[in-house]
Amino acid sequence: DGGITQSPKYLFRKEGQNVTLSCEQNLNHDAMYWYRQDPGQGLRLIYYSQIVNDFQKGDIAEGYSVSREKKESFPLTVTSAQKNPTAFYLCASSPGTRVTAEMDFGPGTMLRVT
Amino acid sequence: SQQGEEDPQALSIQEGENATMNCSYKTSINNLQWYRQNSGRGLVHLILIRSNEREKHSGRLRVTLDTSKKSSSLLITASRAADTASYFCVVSGGYNKLIFGAGTRLAVHP
Repeated sequence: DGGITQSPKYLFRKEGQNVTLSCEQNLNHDAMYWYRQDPGQGLRLIYYSQIVNDFQKGDIAEGYSVSREKKESFPLTVTSAQKNPTAFYLCASSPGTRVTAEMDFGPGTMLRVT
Repeated sequence: SQQGEEDPQALSIQEGENATMNCSYKTSINNLQWYRQNSGRGLVHLILIRSNEREKHSGRLRVTLDTSKKSSSLLITASRAADTASYFCVVSGGYNKLIFGAGTRLAVHP
């Protein structure tokens, strides 16, 4: 079955530690995205990538970093510079390179930093 | 901001009733999408309506778009308990990006 996987489902970290969230897709989609969701709110774009080895900052990129070494993978690192990292993180992908196309989403990773 | 804003923020209905959610936005758009999110899960794409379309159907879903009023509505007919979720309006316009609203939380009671 084609889809997007994110691991782990829940992640706990101590303040000051970097943490990497995994996102893998087997849909052969060109574009991939990372969104952050806070309770009762909509999604905010962190980073997106339209092609391998290239990515663009979204609206809230500060304190985050990404890489796109393979078409299937788009890991997100939450660094210690992110002031309020506790949130629900969603990875998505879409065919083609238009970032306004309909997206497929992964199940999300809930990150808690204490 | 051209953020889509859903109304109401929360909606509670009985099974079998229809549920209507509205979305308003501020600037011109290329298309508007609706997504559903079950609690603690990823989003599922429901329907995309282009700026030159006025109405679109998918199963029990009916979406309308009024570009003159900068508004859209999502109607779910004959609702089921499984429709309980948050519903997000997502607008696509300038700057090659999508803007998510805060969502409508729908509760369908058996």
